[in-house]
Amino acid sequence: AQSVTQLDSQVPVFEEAPVELRCNYSSSVSVYLFWYVQYPNQGLQLLLKYLSGSTLVKGINGFEAEFNKSQTSFHLRKPSVHISDTAEYFCAVRGYNFNKFYFGSGTKLNVKP
Amino acid sequence: DGGITQSPKYLFRKEGQNVTLSCEQNLNHDAMYWYRQDPGQGLRLIYYSQIVNDFQKGDIAEGYSVSREKKESFPLTVTSAQKNPTAFYLCASSIPGRDAYEQYFGPGTRLTVT
Repeated sequence: AQSVTQLDSQVPVFEEAPVELRCNYSSSVSVYLFWYVQYPNQGLQLLLKYLSGSTLVKGINGFEAEFNKSQTSFHLRKPSVHISDTAEYFCAVRGYNFNKFYFGSGTKLNVKP
Repeated sequence: DGGITQSPKYLFRKEGQNVTLSCEQNLNHDAMYWYRQDPGQGLRLIYYSQIVNDFQKGDIAEGYSVSREKKESFPLTVTSAQKNPTAFYLCASSIPGRDAYEQYFGPGTRLTVT
């Protein structure tokens, strides 16, 4: 079975500072990768996804992620965060041959003024 | 607008009672999923269905049951056999198959059992 590891459960950061949320996955086959955001008591919204091609993927709200196959990582970055980015972020994997999605345990981003 | 609806937003039940959570989608997606979310544990798959009248157990199916009689509906029943039913439940849908289609999520139902 595939697994997804989000190395940081909480990340505090000041407004306008850069941030990186880390995600590693275990898989012996190629995968599709996703980042979702969840605001309190809401469902998950897709931020971005990696399918193939360029390893740098741009998403909504100024987020981007870089796929690194050799390190099996898919870290999420934003050069300058806003208070409104305070939320929980989930990394997810879907294998080519699977109809199931595997989610990390989430990283809570807390942006301070 | 297309999307997924879950009702109710908050649900309270007494221990020992079965409860059914509603999930409806108008995205014309074949695949639907139920997840349970607990603090610090991410999303855990309860059941999923790739097509009408067919569904598979996920990682934590014990104490839950589902049905898929219509493409747009995938209700989840939390039975009295579920030992710790208090949680946030999320329904999702997707286009199945080998392509990289993402999941679309509903707003969730917070179930509290006392």
